[in-house]
This record gives sequence, structure tokens and C-alpha cells, in this order.
Amino acid sequence: NAGVTQTPKFQVLKTGQSMTLQCAQDMNHEYMSWYRQDPGMGLRLIHYSVGAGITDQGEVPNGYNVSRSTTEDFPLRLLSAAPSQTSVYFCASSRPQGVFYEQYFGPGTRLTVT
Amino acid sequence: AQKVTQAQTEISVVEKEDVTLDCVYETRDTTYYLFWYKQPPSGELVFLIRRNSFDEQNEISGRYSWNFQKSTSSFNFTITASQVVDSAVYFCALINQTGANNLFFGTGTRLTVIP
Repeated sequence: NAGVTQTPKFQVLKTGQSMTLQCAQDMNHEYMSWYRQDPGMGLRLIHYSVGAGITDQGEVPNGYNVSRSTTEDFPLRLLSAAPSQTSVYFCASSRPQGVFYEQYFGPGTRLTVT
Repeated sequence: AQKVTQAQTEISVVEKEDVTLDCVYETRDTTYYLFWYKQPPSGELVFLIRRNSFDEQNEISGRYSWNFQKSTSSFNFTITASQVVDSAVYFCALINQTGANNLFFGTGTRLTVIP
């Protein structure tokens, strides 16, 4: 199993550009989520999904969109990048909601918006 | 509402010393899960332990041990005989029963083990 994979590993965007961060998992996990990590703030939840076709907002959803058309993939879209979105982004997955298994994290994407 | 507080921003110890990382949490749920994750300098997040709110037994895994006390809402992590490879940022996190599987993280404690 590859686990949770994220692409790209690094990305530089100009303000106003859009892009999609890719996340995939091969563990047949129903739950997937996106977090951003900023210095001194820990990780904060952006969006999450409890299954294909179901998504919901987390703590800091503004400026981001998600969709979940398959169990395996959970892309995160930045609609119009802003310098405040400079961060490290982590995707995670776990077994079904209600069981509270540990989440498996991808390696992260370091995004810089200039 | 839920909150996880890691008051120690940075800790430095000399190799072979013991070190305890503090974690205090707040939640209104009676059922919840607590976690510790390690983030080494390479940046990935490594799961260390999960503990549910009904299990207050302390746990030991090699040089690592965890002390869960509901009376003080604390879930502290101790590394015995620290090693340079323990240098990392350590995160404590919480999942509420009513919050899907969403993790609420503390701000992390950066541990530096000096050889």
C-alpha cells in the first residue's frame, strides 16, 4: 500500500492564481480531510469528507473548495490564491466515522503564494 | 467547544534525560479520543498513540509513556532516556464523539535533544 499520497510536494503561486492539491489513498478509507499547518498554530481543519459525495467545512474553509467523487481521491482547490494561504497542507484519511481510528497523513504540500 | 493546550512551546534536554510533554484538553463530550503525533524534521506526521476517554490506564511503549488523567483533563507524554532521534515537534490532538473524525490539534511542542 502506498498509503496517503499528495502531489505536488512544493508549489509556488502568484496571488490570484488557482490550483488543485491532489490527495489519494489506497486503504479504502471512508474519511478524508485536509489540514493546514502554520507556525505556532498547529494543524487546522479546512474541509473533510465522510464518504464519496459528502463533504463539509472545517475550521478554516474560506478560499478552498473540495469534492469527493471517489473513495480514493480528495482534491483541494484554491480558487484565487492569496499570501495568507502560504502554508503546509496535509491530507489525511481514516476508517469510518464513529470508530475513531487514528488518521494517516500524507507527506504534505508546501505552498508559497507570492 | 473543544480545545487542546500545549503550553510548552519549546523544550531542550540533554541526551539521556527524561522529558515530559504536557497536554491539557477541553471538551463537553463524555466520549472522546486523545492522540499524540510526532513530526520529525523531515515533516511527516507519525501517529504515536490513541486513548479513549473511558480508559485511564497509563500506557508504556518502550521509552515512551503516557499519563491520562480525566480529573485534570491532561494527557501527558514522557520520553525516558531521550535520544537525538526524539528531536521533533510533538502534537497532542482530540476527537470528539460528535465531531466526525475531525482532529483538533494543540499548537505543538518542539523538543530538541542535545547530544
